[in-house]
Amino acid sequence: DSGVTQTPKHLITATGQRVTLRCSPRSGDLSVYWYQQSLDQGLQFLIQYYNGEERAKGNILERFSAQQFPDLHSELNLSSLELGDSALYFCASNGGSTDTQYFGPGTRLTVL
Amino acid sequence: ILNVEQSPQSLHVQEGDSTNFTCSFPSSNFYALHWYRWETAKSPEALFVMTLNGDEKKKGRISATLNTKEGYSYLYIKGSQPEDSATYLCAFIIASGNQFYFGTGTSLTVIP
Repeated sequence: DSGVTQTPKHLITATGQRVTLRCSPRSGDLSVYWYQQSLDQGLQFLIQYYNGEERAKGNILERFSAQQFPDLHSELNLSSLELGDSALYFCASNGGSTDTQYFGPGTRLTVL
Repeated sequence: ILNVEQSPQSLHVQEGDSTNFTCSFPSSNFYALHWYRWETAKSPEALFVMTLNGDEKKKGRISATLNTKEGYSYLYIKGSQPEDSATYLCAFIIASGNQFYFGTGTSLTVIP
């Protein structure tokens, strides 16, 4: 158990809908990272937050947004969902930029 | 686009064999390199954090070396066991320290 929690574990929704994925980092970790893993692809970095502020942005679509709250949990919002958004979404946390990242169990999103 | 390449893409070895695989990354703007182990249906788990040229790290039968001047890291597994079967990911962290660039991984299968 990495100490990072993600909810829900599975999500099934329809095209055009909007969903919110939630991540609680390890106790004391200020950084939260979001990744997408699509079928047959590696981990794609989406976005990083540090202590409530956006720190780095990767290949995140404009339809996706994220935020980190004062209690350090983070939410990833995915809107106008398309079939291609079906993927495993991981959240990871660490205490600093170069520290080991601790990954949550992931949320599997299926868009029908 | 920053390329982090891992080779081979997949590997099948017999139990007891030793094996190694490569992570190649840009030799400029290096900050750190991480190795992760990712078992099917689980989340990635950190193995090593490497920051200095010439670093060698060891954890049980698994070890890693780092050459930042030429932009590669090797991961070695001595006397492979079936429980070593997993995908091994490397992640390159650029000098700003804010973004992790993951390779697509080497999938290792150890045959009993």
